[in-house]
Amino acid sequence: DQQVKQNSPSLSVQEGRISILNCDYTNSMFDYFLWYKKYPAEGPTFLISISSIKDKNEDGRFTVFLNKSAKHLSLHIVPSQPGDSAVYFCAASGGSGGGADGLTFGKGTHLIIQP
Amino acid sequence: NAGVTQTPKFRILKIGQSMTLQCTQDMNHNYMYWYRQDPGMGLKLIYYSVGAGITDKGEVPNGYNVSRSTTEDFPLRLELAAPSQTSVYFCASRRQGSFFGQGTRLTVV
Repeated sequence: DQQVKQNSPSLSVQEGRISILNCDYTNSMFDYFLWYKKYPAEGPTFLISISSIKDKNEDGRFTVFLNKSAKHLSLHIVPSQPGDSAVYFCAASGGSGGGADGLTFGKGTHLIIQP
Repeated sequence: NAGVTQTPKFRILKIGQSMTLQCTQDMNHNYMYWYRQDPGMGLKLIYYSVGAGITDKGEVPNGYNVSRSTTEDFPLRLELAAPSQTSVYFCASRRQGSFFGQGTRLTVV
C-alpha cells in the first residue's frame, strides 16, 4: 500500500523544454511535501518543498504545485537542462508522527534530458 | 561544513556477521534518520531519532538497532546479517528539508 506514488518510472524531455514530474498521495494526514534529486552513487539532494497550506512554491527554474483535493503534486522544471538528468523522488511527511518520524518516499522518476 | 557523513561507503558481509554503519552530522540537527533503498524502490525508513537519547522504529526496523548518545552521531547496527539486508543505506538529518549522506552500499552473501 504505497502512500506516495510516482507512476512514471522514466520521462524523456528535450533540452530547453518544460519537464513535469507527477506524484500522487493517499494519506490525507500528510502536510508537507518535498522533491529530491538523486544522481547515481550519491545521496538524495533536497530540491524544493511545499506546505499543505500553499498551492504553489517557486524557486528559480523549479516550481511545485499542490492540489490537495486531488491529492496530487507536480514538479515543473523550466527550462530543462542536461544537468537535470537524474532520478527525482517525491516525499511526504506528517501523519501521526507530525513529520518527526521521517519521510515517505515514492519510487522515483528517472528524468532524461535529451540534447 | 561537512553535512552528513557516512562510513563505510561499501561493505560486503557474510551471512550472520554483524557490523555498524556510522553516521555523523555537524549541523546540530535534532532529527536524524536511517533509510534503506532497494533497487527500483523509494527509500524506506528504518529508524529515526528526535534527539539524543530518543529513538523510535520506522517502517522496516526488523534486524536493525540504533543508538543516539550525542546529537552528532546516529549509528545503525546489524546484528545477524541476512541477504535481505543487501541494500543501499542512507543516513539523513533534518531541519526543513532532509540532508542525506552519500550512502553505504551493503552486500550480504
